[in-house]
Amino acid sequence: DSGVTQTPKHLITATGQRVTLRCSPRSGDLSVYWYQQSLDQGLQFLIQYYNGEERAKGNILERFSAQQFPDLHSELNLSSLELGDSALYFCASSVGSSGNTGELFFGEGSRLTVL
Amino acid sequence: DQQVKQNSPSLSVQEGRISILNCDYTNSMFDYFLWYKKYPAEGPTFLISISSIKDKNEDGRFTVFLNKSAKHLSLHIVPSQPGDSAVYFCAASAGAQKLVFGQGTRLTINP
Repeated sequence: DSGVTQTPKHLITATGQRVTLRCSPRSGDLSVYWYQQSLDQGLQFLIQYYNGEERAKGNILERFSAQQFPDLHSELNLSSLELGDSALYFCASSVGSSGNTGELFFGEGSRLTVL
Repeated sequence: DQQVKQNSPSLSVQEGRISILNCDYTNSMFDYFLWYKKYPAEGPTFLISISSIKDKNEDGRFTVFLNKSAKHLSLHIVPSQPGDSAVYFCAASAGAQKLVFGQGTRLTINP
């Protein structure tokens, strides 16, 4: 158990819909990262928040947005969903802001299926 | 632009033998490299890392080798055990930048 909690674990929805994925980081971790893993693809970095502020942005679509709340949990909002958005979405957390020391702790992921 | 590449989608090794997983990168600014391990229905977990100032780091059965001139790193697992069957991701970062992951290699250890 990494201490990172993601909900829901599975989500099935239709094209054009909007969903929200939620992540609670490990206790004490200030950074939250979102990654997308599509079929046979590596983990694609989407966005990072540190203590409530956006710290880094990756290949995140304009239809996607995220935020980190004062209690440090984070939500990833995916709108106008397309079939290609079907993927595993991972949240990870770390204590610091750089996240490059290897100490990224991942949740179990949220599997999104768009039909 | 795939900056970190794992060219072998899968690898099958006999129990007790050595498993060697390979990873190539293109960004010469990468200065920190990591391996993550992922079991089905779980998130990736950190396994071992190496800084660019080193060429080898060992932790029990796991050793990571870094060849900066070839922009290549490898993970050696010896002896391989059935519990090592998982997907292994190579990752790299440059300074304080985000981790860039490879596509993963599925390792299967056969009894």
